[in-house]
Amino acid sequence: EIVMTQSPATLSVSPGERATLSCRASQSVSSSLAWYQQKPGQAPRLLIHGASTRATGIPARFSGSGSGTEFTLTISSLQSEDFAVYYCQQYNNWPPCTFGQGTKLEIK
Amino acid sequence: QVQLVESGGGLVKPGGSLRLSCAASGFTFSDYYMSWIRQAPGKGLEWVSYISSSGSTIYYADSVKGRFTISRDNAKNSLYLQMNSLRAEDTAVYYCSRGSGWIYFDSWGQGTLVTVSS
Repeated sequence: EIVMTQSPATLSVSPGERATLSCRASQSVSSSLAWYQQKPGQAPRLLIHGASTRATGIPARFSGSGSGTEFTLTISSLQSEDFAVYYCQQYNNWPPCTFGQGTKLEIK
Repeated sequence: QVQLVESGGGLVKPGGSLRLSCAASGFTFSDYYMSWIRQAPGKGLEWVSYISSSGSTIYYADSVKGRFTISRDNAKNSLYLQMNSLRAEDTAVYYCSRGSGWIYFDSWGQGTLVTVSS
């Protein structure tokens, strides 16, 4: 089973600033990496798939990069609605597909 | 638009059973593979089970194998999860999700809470 590790656990950033979230896989997952956003009391929402392809309707301020074992989600200019928990998920080698433990993005 | 609506959650005693349902609309259900994903209170996401579009291929997480059964009825646009021999550690919000690519999850229901407690 591939283990996904996200860092940091909590990230404090001011509105308007850039946020950079990291996700590391225990072995290569090629570009089979997705990012999700989850707000309190809501279901997760797909942001990015294929490591860098934005899902339908996702604003351009969200971008994904990386391949192999190291991945990054960047939010270029944080809006109030972006403060949430973010999860990465690998789907290169499954079952099982596996999620990271999440990064909570909070207002500084 | 795509809509997934789960139902069937509730409070059940350890060792008991529960059947979750997911009603799908807004897309051609029979064209998509589906999964159940759960989230324990205050915890992260855990994939539980997968079923192919025809129902011919099924996978389970080791944590539920032998206890849970996934199924679908394409004529009714519905996905199911039969959960037997429930344990306290099965307590979670269970999400029905639509698979895309191979495989990420592009649509999610609002979830249904399953609580296993005596």
